[in-house]
Amino acid sequence: AQKVTQAQTEISVVEKEDVTLDCVYETRDTTYYLFWYKQPPSGELVFLIRRNSFDEQNEISGRYSWNFQKSTSSFNFTITASQVVDSAVYFCALSEEWANDMRFGAGTRLTVKP
Amino acid sequence: DTGVSQDPRHKITKRGQNVTFRCDPISEHNRLYWYRQTLGQGPEFLTYFQNEAQLEKSRLLSDRFSAERPKGSFSTLEIQRTEQGDSAMYLCASSLITDEAFFGQGTRLTVV
Repeated sequence: AQKVTQAQTEISVVEKEDVTLDCVYETRDTTYYLFWYKQPPSGELVFLIRRNSFDEQNEISGRYSWNFQKSTSSFNFTITASQVVDSAVYFCALSEEWANDMRFGAGTRLTVKP
Repeated sequence: DTGVSQDPRHKITKRGQNVTFRCDPISEHNRLYWYRQTLGQGPEFLTYFQNEAQLEKSRLLSDRFSAERPKGSFSTLEIQRTEQGDSAMYLCASSLITDEAFFGQGTRLTVV
């Protein structure tokens, strides 16, 4: 069975600090996909990144970076120089190759204070 | 067409009433998903369509819930005889077969 754990329920930082959101997953499949979504107060889930299980290269997109480590079943998300607009709930999700759904973690609420 | 749209955004209904929500996916997307999200939790999968065929339903989708996607375009989710436990955000998402899903803004249901 697939499972996603986001152990950090809430994180609060001051603007310009770096912050890392943790995601640990469980799956028996060798082929799977990992995702991060952002949910701002407006409620819409915004897609950030999709990574397949065969691509362990770290990804950087502006202030965002992702660290995928199969050895520890983790797919962590780092925001560098955080900004107030980064305040949101962030979800990590897993989709197995033959599954038709994404399994989401419970989310991490990030608050960036000015 | 800039994204997935859902209607209504908010719905308040009395217990026992029926409600119907609509989702218009991104036009070229052949997959459509319904998720439910309660406060403080991540979205939970309800059902998904590939074109007009409903291919999977979660155990969360009780007999009071029904979803349709006529002609493989928009989709509707109906809840009959609503209960207070049905209060949640109902999210629709669409995707191409091998790509990531894009979500709508959701319909927030409150059953009083």
